[in-house]
Amino acid sequence: GAVVSQHPSRVICKSGTSVKIECRSLDFQATTMFWYRQFPKQSLMLMATSNEGSKATYEQGVEKDKFLINHASLTLSTLTVTSAHPEDSSFYICSAAGQGFLREQFFGPGTRLTVL
Amino acid sequence: GENVEQHPSTLSVQEGDSAVIKCTYSDSASNYFPWYKQELGKGPQLIIDIRSNVGEKKDQRIAVTLNKTAKHFSLHITETQPEDSAVYFCAAALFGNEKLTFGTGTRLTIIP
Repeated sequence: GAVVSQHPSRVICKSGTSVKIECRSLDFQATTMFWYRQFPKQSLMLMATSNEGSKATYEQGVEKDKFLINHASLTLSTLTVTSAHPEDSSFYICSAAGQGFLREQFFGPGTRLTVL
Repeated sequence: GENVEQHPSTLSVQEGDSAVIKCTYSDSASNYFPWYKQELGKGPQLIIDIRSNVGEKKDQRIAVTLNKTAKHFSLHITETQPEDSAVYFCAAALFGNEKLTFGTGTRLTIIP
């Protein structure tokens, strides 16, 4: 199957700093990438959908100025958590969908963010 | 919007027995139903999916059934093994839209 990577896998930062998470599709071109947030023992909550070269579409209740998404190429999307606070601590997961028969979503391994 | 319910939330099964997880969806327009397995600290992994033009799909020990009339679909795992222990999520979407609505998850534990 298609491979999606995320970097970093784990990050700890101080309150007020910004953190960037990268999501890459390694062996296919991802026309659409998704960013999810998952709290412990809960389901995945879609935060935003990004299409290469256009602005991301955010789900209701997700602050676009706090969670900046850039999908600059067909293989890379980034999520920047700006001015992070302890309540932003969570597991962030990206997924990617390509064209044609690869329209299924393939998920990255996730990034655990801890804000002190 | 779509709403997906998943049951049970936890399931313990003796090794070698079968496990069944059930999901119901609300939007009759949904036509793509994937199942994901998530191990601790990892992202979800697609294990099987079904589209609304078929009623059943099987891949070795894993099968999924779909009842469009009742708007429910189920995951069946036969001959369970310890490595099947994980959290399983069902989801529903309109194929081509990719916006998945996830169920609440089932923590499956295989008892050796």
